[in-house]
This record gives sequence, C-alpha cells and structure tokens, in this order.
Amino acid sequence: QVQLVESGGGVVQPGGSLRLSCAASGFTFSSYGMHWVRQAPGKGLEWVAFIRYDGSNKYYADSVKGRFTISRDNSKNTLYLQMNSLRAEDTAVYYCAKDRVCSGGSCHDYWGQGTLVTVSS
Amino acid sequence: EIVMTQSPATLSVSPGERATLSCRASQSVSSNLAWYQQKPGQAPRLLIYGASTRATGIPARFSGSGSGTEFTLTISSLQSEDFAVYYCQQYNNWPRYSFGQGTKLEIK
Repeated sequence: QVQLVESGGGVVQPGGSLRLSCAASGFTFSSYGMHWVRQAPGKGLEWVAFIRYDGSNKYYADSVKGRFTISRDNSKNTLYLQMNSLRAEDTAVYYCAKDRVCSGGSCHDYWGQGTLVTVSS
Repeated sequence: EIVMTQSPATLSVSPGERATLSCRASQSVSSNLAWYQQKPGQAPRLLIYGASTRATGIPARFSGSGSGTEFTLTISSLQSEDFAVYYCQQYNNWPRYSFGQGTKLEIK
C-alpha cells in the first residue's frame, strides 16, 4: 500500500533553515508528481510546492517563493523541502502528498502523517 | 488568486441524518474541485474529485455536485466515523491550488 513518511521537522529560530524529507513506498515514485501542503496550528490547508515526476519543473506558493526549494531523489524514493529564512508564520504541520490525475487537472490522493515545524525564538 | 469559501463553519447533525456542506469559488473553476476529509491528528483524505467523482474506497453515502462557482458535498446518512472537518479545493488554477477554510461536522 502507498506510504508517505515525513521527517525533519523541529524547532528552529526565525531566519534559520530546515530540510524536510518524505520517504515514499508502495507505488512507482518516479512516475508521479509530488506536493508539499502545510497546515498552521488550528488552521486550514495551504498548498506550498509541487515538483513534476522527473524534477523538471517546480512550482511554489507566493508565500514561500525564493525561500523554499522542493527537490526529489528518485533513486531513493524521497521528496525534500529545503526551507530557508524561516518566519514565525511558517509554523505548521507539513504534509507531503502524491499527485494524481483528477478530472480536468490533478489533486492529491495520498498524504503522509505530517511533520511539525515550529519557528520560534 | 481564487478564493474558496465554505459554509457553514460548523454544522451540527445527528447520526443517521443528512449533511449538506457548501463551497463557493470567487470565480469559475469549472468542475475542477475536490473534497477532503480530515479527522483530528490525521492527514486529509481525498473523498471527491471532478466535483462529483468518488475517490477509490469512498462509500456511496458521500456525493458531490455543482460546477462553476457553487459546489455541495452531501453525506446521505451520517455515520459516527463521518464527524470530521471537510475541505474543498480548487485545482482549476493549477498549480495555484487553493483550499476553503473548512467545515467542521459535529455530532448534534
């Protein structure tokens, strides 16, 4: 079965950096685009970034553009999110999610359990 | 940016009754809309995509309808496991996805 397991979260000071990982199994990782979606404590969902199946194209929410970098290693079945210049408003649970074709576009059919990032001094 | 607005924020319904959740888009998203369910401490789960197509393994009591700017998620006979938060998401403006703020479905 599909499994997505995030890691790398923790407490970091404002301006600091953190790298999240998402280990994938149960499907052909190299054939699917992948997303990062976050959820601030007690709040709703916010899409963060997307990477195509082969890493050829990457897209970001305006709120993280220029600070976050999404990448993947298909040989390791792993997705990454490098987060730099972190701010208090980046505090959230970060989920990785698998892309799937949905009528007219694409959505997210499997999600990991998330990893908590807390930005605080 | 396409803004998604869900109503109501909280819906109180008794088990066995029908629940109707609404989602409105600030501009047309055609039928490019998905619904997700999230239980406390869990990741979201895809319920519906294409406004009305159930995802794999989703019970038939969940149904979606609408197009353009107005959408509805209906749960025909609420089971105890259905009490959760529900989010709509537009993917028409790919990859600029946007979610609604959520509707909390609670037991009356």
